[in-house]
Amino acid sequence: KAGVTQTPRYLIKTRGQQVTLSCSPISGHRSVSWYQQTPGQGLQFLFEYFSETQRNKGNFPGRFSGRQFSNSRSEMNVSTLELGDSALYLCASSQGGRDSPLHFGNGTRLTVT
Amino acid sequence: GQQVMQIPQYQHVQEGEDFTTYCNSSTTLSNIQWYKQRPGGHPVFLIQLVKSGEVKKQKRLTFQFGEAKKNSSLHITATQTTDVGTYFCAGPVTNAGKSTFGDGTTLTVKP
Repeated sequence: KAGVTQTPRYLIKTRGQQVTLSCSPISGHRSVSWYQQTPGQGLQFLFEYFSETQRNKGNFPGRFSGRQFSNSRSEMNVSTLELGDSALYLCASSQGGRDSPLHFGNGTRLTVT
Repeated sequence: GQQVMQIPQYQHVQEGEDFTTYCNSSTTLSNIQWYKQRPGGHPVFLIQLVKSGEVKKQKRLTFQFGEAKKNSSLHITATQTTDVGTYFCAGPVTNAGKSTFGDGTTLTVKP
């Protein structure tokens, strides 16, 4: 089975721009979660989508949004980028149960200048 | 709300020494999961503990879940250089969307 695929791997944007990140989950997985990882803040939960619906949301501003398509692929959007948004964005898929293990992709490294 | 704390933040050991990381929650957890992230890599699921007092082993790794289901530990016996990385514990996502991962323990092993 193919793993979780995230594109692009690297991204450089300037402040004020917006960005869209993509995630293709493992086949058969219906849940996709997004995490932000920074050296100082660790792994911070952004949101989780299950069957095209946002099931959980972390404590991030409204500039961070996401969606999930009928094939379970997910996208995450960040608008009006700030320098502090520079981070590794990780997508994780699971079968969808509350206790299901997460399978992470390689992440998208976003740098905001 | 649920918050998972992990200690220590860093651990430097000589190859062959043992290593332990601890995870503590302010609330009872239905389960706890452990992940390992190699330098430059992404977190990889290691194991899940569900039962009170549960102990599971994976070769040199021993995972424990406390009786009260509020704490957990990961112990590595006789560390090897392949054990380097950051070990995270994670509780289930709460309805409030609380961050579920501990801050991780970064292990370095000196050959």
